[in-house]
Amino acid sequence: DIQMTQSPASLSASLEEIVTITCQASQDIGNWLAWYQQKPGKSPQLLIHSATSLADGIPSRFSGSRSGTQYSLKISRLQVEDTGIYYCLQRYSNPWTFGGGTKLELK
Amino acid sequence: QVTLKESGPGILQPSQTLSLTCTFSGFSLSTYGMGVGWIRQPSGKGLEWLANIWWDDDKYYNPSLKNRLTISKDTSNNQAFLKITNVDTADTATYYCARIEPGSFDYWGQGVMVTVSS
Repeated sequence: DIQMTQSPASLSASLEEIVTITCQASQDIGNWLAWYQQKPGKSPQLLIHSATSLADGIPSRFSGSRSGTQYSLKISRLQVEDTGIYYCLQRYSNPWTFGGGTKLELK
Repeated sequence: QVTLKESGPGILQPSQTLSLTCTFSGFSLSTYGMGVGWIRQPSGKGLEWLANIWWDDDKYYNPSLKNRLTISKDTSNNQAFLKITNVDTADTATYYCARIEPGSFDYWGQGVMVTVSS
């Protein structure tokens, strides 16, 4: 199975700050990576697919990048509504695997 | 408008079979490239992928659940199903179904809570 190591596990940041969350894949997964945001009591929402493509309706302050087997989600200017738990997902091979999640809070 | 909604028994006893239904609209599982997946999340924990079914009836399962999973679909009625046999307390979770398009789960249902308890 492909392991997705997500970091940090939790993060506290200020409004307008730049935030970066990373997922390290245990092997090559190409661009088969997505990022999700989950708010309490809600289902996950797709932010980024294919490693770098912004999902429909997602603000442009969210962006995804890839360097080898390391994938990053960047929030360029943190807003109040960006708090929640973020997950990465690889769909390169079965079983599809999620990262462990990053809890993002406002400082 | 794409929507998905899960339904299930709410509570069941250990060793029983869990049957879940995903009723969707706004897309067809007979469309080339389309898929539906099931994901679960124990309370306060992370997400676990369970199974996918595709437009051509290809099926993929998480091997961590060994042979307990069966995924199926009813294209005419826009439904997908998941059965988990021999449940125990570790199967207590919120279960989600989600559409797969263009490269990941893009639309999710609201989730259904399932409790396994004697």
